[in-house]
Amino acid sequence: QVQLVQSGAEVRKPGASVKVSCKASGYTFTSYGISWVRQAPGQGLKWMGWVSANNGNTNYAQKLQGRVTMTTDTSTSTAYMELRSLRSDDTAVYYCARGFYGSWADYWGQGTLVTVSS
Amino acid sequence: DIQMTQSPSSLSASVGDRVTITCRASQGISNSLAWYQQKPGKAPKLLLYAASRLESGVPSRFSGSGSGTAYTLTISSLQPEDFATYYCQQYYSTLTWTFGQGTKVEV
Repeated sequence: QVQLVQSGAEVRKPGASVKVSCKASGYTFTSYGISWVRQAPGQGLKWMGWVSANNGNTNYAQKLQGRVTMTTDTSTSTAYMELRSLRSDDTAVYYCARGFYGSWADYWGQGTLVTVSS
Repeated sequence: DIQMTQSPSSLSASVGDRVTITCRASQGISNSLAWYQQKPGKAPKLLLYAASRLESGVPSRFSGSGSGTAYTLTISSLQPEDFATYYCQQYYSTLTWTFGQGTKVEV
């Protein structure tokens, strides 16, 4: 069965970076893209960007351009999302999901809480 | 960017009620719309895609309809496990996904 398993919760200080992983199993990793969606406490879902697991092409939300990098490691079927120059308003649960442009998110990771606090 | 406006933002309902949630896009999205259910502390779960196609394993009391810019999610007979927040999402754009702001269905 398809599974996306994310890394554990992180606490960072403002200005630091965080890298969240998303390990996929149960399907051919390179046949799909991986998207990242975040949810601030008590708020809705916000799309962050996506990465093609086939060729590594990416597209990021304009608001995050320059601070976010999404990559994949096909040897381990793992996707990564790195966010730099963290601010308090980056505190959120970060989800990876299978799917990208032209498609929906059919499987989701369990979420990773990133807390940014001094 | 395509904007998605969901209404209402919350609603109160009882078990057995028929519930309808509306999602409106800022431009036509050609049925490129998905609906998700999210319970507290859990990841979203896909309910429908292509506006009206039920994801495997999702109960048939969930249905979707619409075209152009206006879409609806209907729960025909609300069950206790359906109390949750529901989100619409457009995937028509080749550059971005956009989610509606969510509709909380509560007792």
